[in-house]
Amino acid sequence: KAGVTQTPRYLIKTRGQQVTLSCSPISGHRSVSWYQQTPGQGLQFLFEYFSETQRNKGNFPGRFSGRQFSNSRSEMNVSTLELGDSALYLCASRPGPSSYNEQFFGPGTRLTVL
Amino acid sequence: DQQVKQNSPSLSVQEGRISILNCDYTNSMFDYFLWYKKYPAEGPTFLISISSIKDKNEDGRFTVFLNKSAKHLSLHIVPSQPGDSAVYFCAASERGRGSQGNLIFGKGTKLSVKP
Repeated sequence: KAGVTQTPRYLIKTRGQQVTLSCSPISGHRSVSWYQQTPGQGLQFLFEYFSETQRNKGNFPGRFSGRQFSNSRSEMNVSTLELGDSALYLCASRPGPSSYNEQFFGPGTRLTVL
Repeated sequence: DQQVKQNSPSLSVQEGRISILNCDYTNSMFDYFLWYKKYPAEGPTFLISISSIKDKNEDGRFTVFLNKSAKHLSLHIVPSQPGDSAVYFCAASERGRGSQGNLIFGKGTKLSVKP
C-alpha cells in the first residue's frame, strides 16, 4: 500500500506570496491532519479534515487554511507569507476519527520564505 | 506552555545496550500516547503506542511504559542498534472533543547508537 505523499517536496517563496501544499493520504484513510515543524517550536498541529470538513484546528492565524476533497486528498494554503512561515509542513493520515489510530506521516514539504 | 516535554535533547548509547527515552506530560486529559521516530528529510514514522488503561506495551525491541500518577512515559529499546539512531518524538492525544486527530508532540530526543 502506498504511503502518504506530499507535493511539492521543496518550495521557495518570497514574503507576501501565497502557497498551496498538497497531500494524498494512504488509500482508504479518510482523516488528514497537517502539522508544522520548526526548530524552535517542534511539531505543531494545524488542522484536521474528515469527510471534507475541518474537525479540529490548532492555534494558527487565519492565513493558514485547508480543505479536503471527496477523494480524501487535502490541500493547505498559506496566504501573505511571512519569514516565520519557513518550516517543514507535514501531512498525516489515519483511517478515520472514530477511534484512536496512529497517524501515518508523509515526507513533508520544506517551505522556505525569503 | 508545553504539555508534552522531552527534557533530554540528546542521548548516546552503545550498540547492544538499552536506550531509555523519557517523556513527561502535564495534561491529565491525555489518554493515548505514541512514539515516533524521525530520520532527516523524512516524515515521522510510527513506532508504538499505549492507551492510558495500560501501563506497558511491547513490540519486539520496543517497550513503552506509562506511569499515570507521575504523568511520565518512557520508551525502552533493547538491544539498541546503529539503525535506531534518529530523533524520537513522544506524542499525546486527548480524549473526546474530537481531538484525536490533534497530536501534541514533545520536541524530540536525538538518539545516537554507537557501534
